[in-house]
Amino acid sequence: GENVEQHPSTLSVQEGDSAVIKCTYSDSASNYFPWYKQELGKGPQLIIDIRSNVGEKKDQRIAVTLNKTAKHFSLHITETQPEDSAVYFCAAMGQDSNYQLIWGAGTKLIIKP
Amino acid sequence: DTAVSQTPKYLVTQMGNDKSIKCEQNLGHDTMYWYKQDSKKFLKIMFSYNNKELIINETVPNRFSPKSPDKAHLNLHINSLELGDSAVYFCASSQDGAGELFFGEGSRLTVL
Repeated sequence: GENVEQHPSTLSVQEGDSAVIKCTYSDSASNYFPWYKQELGKGPQLIIDIRSNVGEKKDQRIAVTLNKTAKHFSLHITETQPEDSAVYFCAAMGQDSNYQLIWGAGTKLIIKP
Repeated sequence: DTAVSQTPKYLVTQMGNDKSIKCEQNLGHDTMYWYKQDSKKFLKIMFSYNNKELIINETVPNRFSPKSPDKAHLNLHINSLELGDSAVYFCASSQDGAGELFFGEGSRLTVL
């Protein structure tokens, strides 16, 4: 079945710098890759997603890239701000997972002032 | 107007007790879920349910049972609570079982 690995588990960056979180997946049939942000005491919230028919998607300061050949996708956050501090989860979905999301283990992003 | 609401937010109980967590969504979605998040923040799906099918994660003990009185509600019942059940439980919903998940704010269960 599908397996999603996420790195790093913790990432600390200076405010204003960029942050990159990477995920790899095992099932080449996966075709949907969302990223969720979980703030302290809250449930995860979708921030951006990408489908396998595109290689990159951008929404203001966040972007996601997908490399289907290498089976990895990444979240890029530019000009980081204190409110970006949170836990970020990647996930993958496809036919082989019975269209259930398979989640990465999460990355705790810390923005240093 | 909370989209996915769950109660209680906090629950402290003794080992061996039976407890329930309630979830309601006002989004008109067809599919609802229960997730368990442990102390390391790992998200594990427990159940997904729509009006046609209940999918159970095979690793979930049968002490856990979802009950859906209608399409907008999916409650979680837990029997004979154990220490290892301590976690944050999240309810979520989605349209058609694909695409964006909308999560509740979580219910923190502590078993003493």
